[in-house]
Parts: sequence; C-alpha cells; structure tokens
Amino acid sequence: EVQLVESGGGLVKPGSSLKLSCVASGFTFSSYGMHWIRQAPKKGLEWIALIYYDSSNKYYADSVKGRFTISRDNSKNTLYLEMNSLRSEDTAMYYCAKSGADWGQGVMVTVSS
Amino acid sequence: EIVLTQSPTTTAASPGEKVTITCLASSSVSNMYWYQQKSGASPKLLIYSTSSLASGVPDRFSGSGSGTSYSLTINTMEAEDAATYYCQQWSSNPFTFGSGTKLEIK
Repeated sequence: EVQLVESGGGLVKPGSSLKLSCVASGFTFSSYGMHWIRQAPKKGLEWIALIYYDSSNKYYADSVKGRFTISRDNSKNTLYLEMNSLRSEDTAMYYCAKSGADWGQGVMVTVSS
Repeated sequence: EIVLTQSPTTTAASPGEKVTITCLASSSVSNMYWYQQKSGASPKLLIYSTSSLASGVPDRFSGSGSGTSYSLTINTMEAEDAATYYCQQWSSNPFTFGSGTKLEIK
C-alpha cells in the first residue's frame, strides 16, 4: 500500500522559511516523479512543483518560482519542499503526491504575523 | 497556462439522479483527470486518462471527452457522493486544476 506522510508545517511569520518533508513507502520511490500540491483554506487545488525520479528536472508554478525549491533523497525515500520568503498567500494545506493516484494527508502551513 | 473551467460551480441532486460535471480547457489537452474531495480529506482520484476508473471507484462514475471538452458523470447519485469534484490536466506544465464543483445531496 502506498503511503505518503508529510511533516514540517506550522505557523511562521511573513518573510521566514520552512522546509516540508514527505516520507514515502509502499512503492519504489526512486522510480517516480513526485509533486507538491497545495490548497488554501476553503479554496481549490493548486499544483506547485514537480521533480523527476532522478532529480534531473524540476518544474514550478509561477506563484512559487524563485522562492520554493523541490528536492528529494532517494536513499531516504523522502521528498522535500524548501519554502523561502513566505507570504500570507502561501497559507495552505500542502500535499505531496505520486502522480495523481496517491496523495498524502497533507500538512498545514500558516503564514501570519 | 491552460485554464480549466468547471461547471456548474455548485449543484444538488436527489438519490438516483444522474449528475454531469463539465470541464472546458482553454487549449486542447490529451487527457483529463477527475478527483473527489470530501471535507477534511485529501483528494481521491476517480478517473484517469479521461475515462479510466481508478481502483476501487464505483462504476456509477464515468468520464468522457476530448480536446477541450471533458465531463464526469455520476449515473445514479448516492448520498456518499456529496463532495467537491476537481478536474486536472497533466498535459502541459503548469498542471492546472479546475476551480471545483460542489455537489450536494437533496
């Protein structure tokens, strides 16, 4: 059974940084591209980043480009999202996902002074 | 960026009723994916590659379409189908979602 477990969220002030983690199990992590997708409170879904299985390519939504960095450690079956220069509009539930079929339970990030 | 426009935004159906949700893309996409999200839960994949049913999804759900026009149909509404539904395209980066359709039970 595929499991994706996010962690690292919390309440931070505007301009600060945070790093999310997503530990994967139940599949060969090193063979799959992985995504981060977020959902602001009572809003829709927004895809924000993709990393290829071997980290050879990374893609970002314009809303986070230059501020967020997606990475992975295949030896640890772990996906990361490093978030810098956080803004109030980054407040959201952050999900990691393996293609569209498998999602984590999400981790909440709140950016507020 | 491909914009996906879902309609209706909200709707309600009685048990046994047929429900259709549409998703129009601003440019042609090769496939459409559909998700169901219930309150407080992660999205669940219902349909992939336009018309393929994801594992464990009841066969009252179906998907169809091509090019810029896609739809999700629930053949006979059940109370447990009350949720928000999203379409998504994986054809073109950024991989955009529709804004969602909230489906309620009458």
